[in-house]
Amino acid sequence: SQQGEEDPQALSIQEGENATMNCSYKTSINNLQWYRQNSGRGLVHLILIRSNEREKHSGRLRVTLDTSKKSSSLLITASRAADTASYFCATEDFGNEKLTFGTGTRLTIIP
Amino acid sequence: KAGVTQTPRYLIKTRGQQVTLSCSPISGHRSVSWYQQTPGQGLQFLFEYFSETQRNKGNFPGRFSGRQFSNSRSEMNVSTLELGDSALYLCASRLLAGGNEQFFGPGTRLTVL
Repeated sequence: SQQGEEDPQALSIQEGENATMNCSYKTSINNLQWYRQNSGRGLVHLILIRSNEREKHSGRLRVTLDTSKKSSSLLITASRAADTASYFCATEDFGNEKLTFGTGTRLTIIP
Repeated sequence: KAGVTQTPRYLIKTRGQQVTLSCSPISGHRSVSWYQQTPGQGLQFLFEYFSETQRNKGNFPGRFSGRQFSNSRSEMNVSTLELGDSALYLCASRLLAGGNEQFFGPGTRLTVL
């Protein structure tokens, strides 16, 4: 079963624009993580945000977490063609350390 | 530091056969998790091992099993293969059992004919 639902399922934007992806989940979490996957390959970890954090930055990435709404967003600023990939959120529940992945957002950057 | 490695990268089997996939975690990482990824079901958690003990298990039939060795390397086995087992099988390692990021291998693409 999947914990997170991501929105939108697919997103196409022009290079240089910002991309925002959203993730909603259902249970109380210890942390939420974002991963990127290039076509058919392994996942690459982007950011981990803990349940007591509200915002985190890493380079061109900004992640927010709203535990009251059980939602998170990933913002990629000044997008590049190399950002074309699928992006997944994953939640780690309290007392259950397995990661449960969302359905993913397919991001396409148009040069 | 070398990343997570998985062997083999590609595998073709026929229904009814069994398969063993191997994963070598990043040096020093004691936790290894396995995931199945299919277009229809997405990323599904199979199981996680930490220090040779299975800590968590997903909702998969008993045909799916795994183990972890004392050097943290892990194997997963699928017996009596079905067509629906065709998938990308991903292994991930992390330093601790929880609260930290996972590092994924490139995956093993299994095709069942």
